[in-house]
This record gives sequence, structure tokens and C-alpha cells, in this order.
Amino acid sequence: EAQVTQNPRYLITVTGKKLTVTCSQNMNHEYMSWYRQDPGLGLRQIYYSMNVEVTDKGDVPEGYKVSRKEKRNFPLILESPSPNQTSLYFCASSFTGFLTDTQYFGPGTRLTVL
Amino acid sequence: AQSVTQPDIHITVSEGASLELRCNYSYGATPYLFWYVQSPGQGLQLLLKYFSGDTLVQGIKGFEAEFKRSQSSFNLRKPSVHWSDAAEYFCAVGHKAAGNKLTFGGGTRVLVKP
Repeated sequence: EAQVTQNPRYLITVTGKKLTVTCSQNMNHEYMSWYRQDPGLGLRQIYYSMNVEVTDKGDVPEGYKVSRKEKRNFPLILESPSPNQTSLYFCASSFTGFLTDTQYFGPGTRLTVL
Repeated sequence: AQSVTQPDIHITVSEGASLELRCNYSYGATPYLFWYVQSPGQGLQLLLKYFSGDTLVQGIKGFEAEFKRSQSSFNLRKPSVHWSDAAEYFCAVGHKAAGNKLTFGGGTRVLVKP
């Protein structure tokens, strides 16, 4: 089944404890992206990747890192999480660009930083 | 910078009634426009998109949207709502000049009364 998977689905952590949220797609998509969703703000793009080893900042990249060492994986790293990073995070992928091709979203990761 | 406004945070509609969700964008050139739906606990699913051609666009699940350049709007409609349409709906806009960035509106939550 074609899908985007994220792990973990739920995570509660404390300020400053490094964490990684994994994202994997099995559709051989070139483009991948991370979003955070906050009430009333919709989704905001954190980082995106156009191919292996090619990443770029979205609208809210501060406090986050990403890497794209393999085509299928695009982990999101929070080196020193803070409470303002408490949010619902979505990974998405598309075969070509996000404008011309359908984005497929993962199920989301709900992160709470205490 | 591009922006998207969804003026209605919540809408309640009776099952079988029609539904219209408003979306206004601000950008000088013709944008790429999208409507996504998020069912409870799920990721986002693309309903429809527009970037050229016929200004009335048909999507999945019986939804349609109309692009009105003069009003900078891309409103979503459905003639007869089903209980399964209860969800949150997001309008999004992108433009080639902005690269692979999508800007999302804040979302409209739709409640369906029996």
C-alpha cells in the first residue's frame, strides 16, 4: 500500500532533550516536506527536500533540522526542544513539485514539550 | 508574500443541505490553489486543485470549487452534505515564484447535524 508513515505518533518530552521524528514513504517520491499544525494557523512548512541531499527552509525552520540521506526517509530533528514546539507535525511527499503534483500526508505526530 | 484567509472558523450544516466554504488569497499573479480535507485523527487529503483552465474545478467526494480572479477567491462547495463530510477543510495557495512552498489558511471546521 502506498503510504507515508511517521513515528512516533505521540511523544511527550521535556525541554532540551533531543528527539527525532521519522518519516518514510514507499512511493519513490522526489519531494518531501515537514509541516506543523497549530490551531487557527493552519499548516506551516518547516523544511522541504527536492531530492537526496537537497533541502531548503520553509516558513518556520527555527529550532529544527532535517536530513535526506535516502530517498524514502526524511527525519525531523529537534536538537533542543522548547515548549513552543508543542504541535501536531505532518510529513508529506509528492512525486514532483508540491504545486503540480498531489502531496500525500502522513498520519501526524503529536508532540508535547514540557 | 502570499497569504490565505478562511473567514469562517466553524460552520454547522444539516445533513443534505448545501455547503460553501470561503477562501481568499492575496498574491499578484495567478496562483496554484488547493483544497484539502482533514478527517479527525487523520492526515490531509487533497480534494481538488486549480492552476489554469476552466475556473470551475471538480474534485473528489462530490466537491467543487470556483476560482474568481476579480474577488481573489477560491470557494469550495458541495450541493448535499453527508455526515461523513464532518472534518476540517484547508485552503492553500502556492506560486512558482515562491518555489515549493504552500501557504495554508487557518482552516474551517465543519460540523454536520443529523
